[in-house]
Amino acid sequence: GAVVSQHPSRVICKSGTSVKIECRSLDFQATTMFWYRQFPKKSLMLMATSNEGSKATYEQGVEKDKFLINHASLTLSTLTVTSAHPEDSSFYICSARQGLAYNEQFFGPGTRLTVL
Amino acid sequence: DQQVKQNSPSLSVQEGRISILNCDYTNSMFDYFLWYKKYPAEGPTFLISISSIKDKNEDGRFTVFLNKSAKHLSLHIVPSQPGDSAVYFCAATPRRGGTSYGKLTFGQGTILTVHP
Repeated sequence: GAVVSQHPSRVICKSGTSVKIECRSLDFQATTMFWYRQFPKKSLMLMATSNEGSKATYEQGVEKDKFLINHASLTLSTLTVTSAHPEDSSFYICSARQGLAYNEQFFGPGTRLTVL
Repeated sequence: DQQVKQNSPSLSVQEGRISILNCDYTNSMFDYFLWYKKYPAEGPTFLISISSIKDKNEDGRFTVFLNKSAKHLSLHIVPSQPGDSAVYFCAATPRRGGTSYGKLTFGQGTILTVHP
C-alpha cells in the first residue's frame, strides 16, 4: 500500500511554545488529508479535513486558531499546535486519501506530543 | 457522544482458534463500515470493509458481519495467528452526501492478543 510519513515521531516542548507536525504522502498525491487526535484508550477523533490549496474544515469543538493546518501541496500537510499547553499532549495521526474509495485512505505512524 | 463503540478493550485467544471482535454504532446515517489494524508505533492499516447493502464480507481469514437492525458489526478471524496480535479499530461513515461524507468515526479499539 501507499506510504504516509509523519515527522517528528515524538516531540516534547515547553508550555507556550508552538509545535509543527508534518504529514507527507511519499508515493502518491493526496487530494485530501485528515488530522486525528487520539487520547489514551480512546478512539481516533477527527480534528480537521484539509484539501490541497484550500482552507481546512475543522470539526466541531476544535479550535482552528489553536490547531493551524496547512495543505500547501498534494504531498504535504502540516499541523501547528500554537501556544501549546499540557492538555494538548496527545497522539496526533494524519491520513491521506489517494482516491475516493475508503480503503484508499492511508494513515501515518503518528506523532506523540508531550507539553511540559 | 460515542457513536461507534467497541466495548471490549481487550481479547485474548489461542492460536488456531477464532477471534471475534465486536462493534456497535448508534448513528443511523452510517452505511459503510471498516476495520483497521494497528501495530505499535505505526498508523492504522485498512483490513476489510462492508457496505450496508450486505450482511457479510469475506477476505481470506477475515470476515465482517453486519446486523443493521441491531446496529452491530463483528470481525471474525479464523484461524487466529500470533501475527494478528494488534489493536483493531472499527470505523463508520455515511456515504451519502452532506457535510459528513467521507469522514470516518472510529471506535476505541480492541487489543487482540493471540497466544502461540
